[in-house]
Order: sequence, then structure tokens, then C-alpha cells
Amino acid sequence: GAGVSQTPSNKVTEKGKYVELRCDPISGHTALYWYRQSLGQGPEFLIYFQGTGAADDSGLPNDRFFAVRPEGSVSTLKIQRTERGDSAVYLCASSPGTRTSTDTQYFGPGTRLTVL
Amino acid sequence: DAKTTQPNSMESNEEEPVHLPCNHSTISGTDYIHWYRQLPSQGPEYVIHGLTSNVNNRMASLAIAEDRKSSTLILHRATLRDAAVYYCILRDYSGGGADGLTFGKGTHLIIQP
Repeated sequence: GAGVSQTPSNKVTEKGKYVELRCDPISGHTALYWYRQSLGQGPEFLIYFQGTGAADDSGLPNDRFFAVRPEGSVSTLKIQRTERGDSAVYLCASSPGTRTSTDTQYFGPGTRLTVL
Repeated sequence: DAKTTQPNSMESNEEEPVHLPCNHSTISGTDYIHWYRQLPSQGPEYVIHGLTSNVNNRMASLAIAEDRKSSTLILHRATLRDAAVYYCILRDYSGGGADGLTFGKGTHLIIQP
């Protein structure tokens, strides 16, 4: 079946602009996660949704970052007033949401964001 | 989540076994040991996980020390397609804490033909 998809695959923007990154999870997965990966580092957790609500947003670096999942499926990560330090690969993952050890996270290919 | 320590990189030859170590000396009794890997230009993918007993699946084997303070991911016969960054991650499902995975820098596995 279809995996997690993310659009766009690449996004180049200018400092100060607003960007939206989209994630389409695996159908039926109630849990959705956003991560950010800088060059040479492992992915860093940003936010976790269970259904429509953000169950844990402790990883969002500041209030310029916001994410929504209004219908419990597609999610959008929104970044306001982008800064050069926001340049990274933004990864989305989904899982069945069982909160057991078999609740494997399935990752999308990521969106590479470059802020000039 | 408890911290894990892995070597920055390892090198192996194609068609030979690979043993990727992970130290987690502060592991709690409810932490599961998960391994994910990330191939070049892709998102991470699940490899295997376990709690106390050794585990086998089609991708790899996981050997867990008796005191659970270390574990080893075993690729029985490495291929060029196994060249990736391998992450050892601890996860507690008993409740509380962030639900995101905590990735370290992982081990960059290089496979020589």
C-alpha cells in the first residue's frame, strides 16, 4: 500500500517568508509525528498528533513553528518568519497509534527546506 | 528516554556479517530497545525491536545482553543496500514522556564491495 508522502520534496524560500509543509500519513494511522533533521545529525522530534489533537508539542523550537491536523489525517507544518537556521530536512512519520512496542513509525521521504 | 551510545562509523565487507553495538547503561526495566536505519536520502525505517530476549526477523537479529545495558544489531550477510546510518533508540511504553523517538547520531555503516 501507499506509504507516507510529503510535499513538496524541496522548498527554497527567502528569510522572513512563511512556508507550509504537508504530510499525508498511511491510511488508518491515528498517530502522526514531525521531526527535523539537520545535516549530519539524527532526526529531532518536533510534535506528535493522536487523531486531530497535538498530544505533545514539546519539541517545537519556538512559536514560529505550528502544526495542524484538522481531520485526523493530513497534517501541515507551518513556519512563520523563516530564518536561515530553519534549513533542514523535515520528516513526517505515522503509526497505528496503539502505544505498544509494536507501534512502528513509518517515515516519509522528507521535505528539504532551504532558507536563503 | 535513557541515552544510548553508538560508534560513529563502522566498515564491513559485502556478504560478511556485521555486528553493530549499542550501549545503554541507564536503561530502565520498561524500556524497549528499537533499531531504525536511514538509507541515503530517505526517511528512517524500522529494523527490529526487543525487550529482554534475543529477536530475529527477516532483516536482522537483535542480541540483548543479560543485564540489558547493551545490545547488538546483527546483519547476517551485509549487502551494499545495507549501507546506512543505524540508530539504536530506547522507548518506554509504560506511560508518560514524549511519544516521539529520540535519535542520536547513530552508526554510519559503510559496506565495501
